[in-house]
Amino acid sequence: AQKITQTQPGMFVQEKEAVTLDCTYDTSDPSYGLFWYKQPSSGEMIFLIYQGSYDQQNATEGRYSLNFQKARKSANLVISASQLGDSAMYFCALWKGRSNDYKLSFGAGTTVTVRA
Amino acid sequence: GAGVSQSPSNKVTEKGKDVELRCDPISGHTALYWYRQSLGQGLEFLIYFQGNSAPDKSGLPSDRFSAERTGGSVSTLTIQRTQQEDSAVYLCASSPPGLPSTDTQYFGPGTRLTVL
Repeated sequence: AQKITQTQPGMFVQEKEAVTLDCTYDTSDPSYGLFWYKQPSSGEMIFLIYQGSYDQQNATEGRYSLNFQKARKSANLVISASQLGDSAMYFCALWKGRSNDYKLSFGAGTTVTVRA
Repeated sequence: GAGVSQSPSNKVTEKGKDVELRCDPISGHTALYWYRQSLGQGLEFLIYFQGNSAPDKSGLPSDRFSAERTGGSVSTLTIQRTQQEDSAVYLCASSPPGLPSTDTQYFGPGTRLTVL
């Protein structure tokens, strides 16, 4: 069974600083994918970034980057130059990597509050 | 273009009543997912439809829960004899035909269900 662990229930970060959100996972599948989603207070889930288990380089999307350490089974999200609009809940999610199974397993989430 | 839509946005019901939640996926998306998010928690997978294949019902918590997808488009999640523990936000997502690594899931705004 897959398991996603986000150990930080809440974090505060100063505007313009970087913040790292932890995510560890447990899977026996050799091929898998990791996602990060943002959920603002309005409730919608917004896709941020994806990392495949066979990707050689860490994924980056604008101010978001993924610190992927395969041996440690961790996929931490780094948000650089935090903005007030980054205040939200952030979820890490795991895909098994199978072409006949697209569902995601989500972690419990981390709430980020950006202070001015 | 239009995103995933869900109705109703809020539903308050009495314990023991049946409820139906509706999801309209993005046009052309072959995969449709239902997730449940309890207060302050991550998303819990419920059921997944992919094209004409048999749905993956492995996440449904009990036989009171069922879902159908008519014509490969609109989906209805039905909860019979609702219980207070069914109170949650029910999120629907859809994705294009490609793998999650290339075609991400797009989420609707959710239906907030409250069982009194």
